[in-house]
Order: sequence, then C-alpha cells, then structure tokens
Amino acid sequence: TQLLEQSPQFLSIQEGENLTVYCNSSSVFSSLQWYRQEPGEGPVLLVTVVTGGEVKKLKRLTFQFGDARKDSSLHITAAQPGDTGLYLCAGGNNNDMRFGAGTRLTVKP
Amino acid sequence: GAGVSQSPSNKVTEKGKDVELRCDPISGHTALYWYRQSLGQGLEFLIYFQGNSAPDKSGLPSDRFSAERTGGSVSTLTIQRTQQEDSAVYLCASSLNGRNIQYFGAGTRLSVL
Repeated sequence: TQLLEQSPQFLSIQEGENLTVYCNSSSVFSSLQWYRQEPGEGPVLLVTVVTGGEVKKLKRLTFQFGDARKDSSLHITAAQPGDTGLYLCAGGNNNDMRFGAGTRLTVKP
Repeated sequence: GAGVSQSPSNKVTEKGKDVELRCDPISGHTALYWYRQSLGQGLEFLIYFQGNSAPDKSGLPSDRFSAERTGGSVSTLTIQRTQQEDSAVYLCASSLNGRNIQYFGAGTRLSVL
C-alpha cells in the first residue's frame, strides 16, 4: 500500500494543453516535495512546500499544498514536450521522506 | 564530481548469482536511501540509513536483499541468488538529513537473465 497515492498514473496530452496531477494521503506531512525524472536519470527536485495552503509557482508550474497538509497538486499551463517525464511527490515527517508511484506525463508536439 | 555516484551503471547477471551495487553519497550527507524502480514505474522504497541509527529496512522485499553503510558514507546493496524479477533500476539518494532535499544518483540498471 502506497503512503502517497498519485493520480493519474499516466497522462498523455497535446502541446499547449493544461493539466493537473494529484498527490493524496491520509497522513499529515511536515513537508512535501515534487520531483521530475527523465529517462535514464535520477529524479530532480522541483519544489518543496511546507505550509498548509501554500502555493508556489515555477514558470508554468503551480504547486499547491492542501490546507490539512495531506495532499498536493501540480498544475502545468500550456504544456510543452519538454515537460514530458515522471512526476513524483514525496512526503516527509520526522527524519525521512517517502515517494508516491508517480504520474507519467507525455506531451505530444 | 560532487553529486551522488552509483556503480556500476549497468549490471547483467545470471539468475542465481549474487550482485553488489555501490553508492557514494554527497560528502557530509547523513541520510542515505535505496530505491528500486521497475520499468515505467515509480520508486519503491528499500532501505534508509540516518547517521548512526539502526537502518529502516522495512522496504526490503525479501531476505535476499541486504545493505550496509560503512563509516557513515559509502553504501552497498547486496542481492543474493538473483531472480529475474529483481531486474530493475536501483537508485540511491542522499540528503543532508532526512528532511532535506534528496539528491539522486543516475542509478544502476540490473538485468537478471
């Protein structure tokens, strides 16, 4: 059983479309991170959110941490082929972080 | 380089053989994680080392899997009597402490024939 559930598991869209992916848990986290992984590489951190209700923007990416700090969303505006990859969320408490299974995004030109 | 280094990058072995995978974390990072990633899948947590504390082995799938971290730095993941289902990319990550950003190596791609 995954501590963090990510949805959808797979998403394929056309360039220019908007999308939202989700990361949900029944647990409360002190912080939550989003990573992107490209083929043949390890995941790379995109953002960390720590405050309930927090919203962070990174260019066309908007990250939100739920008020109860149990869930998070990632919204991408006007997706581009370069956004293709596996998006992973990781929730942390005490001294470790655990990952969801990821959303695999494909953006077609 | 200053990043997390894993070796070998690729390993092909025969069913039943033992393999050792190595991870060199970023210097000064007290936390070290091992994950397994099957083709097209997310990260499966295997084991977590934090400083001198007893490691969290709760993710190890069977007693054929073990890991050590010597001197609080280099870690070795050992898989005994490999099976075909062990084929995957094994990723290592380190962080300054358990709550901080995890920095990942590029992984070791293990293929068991």
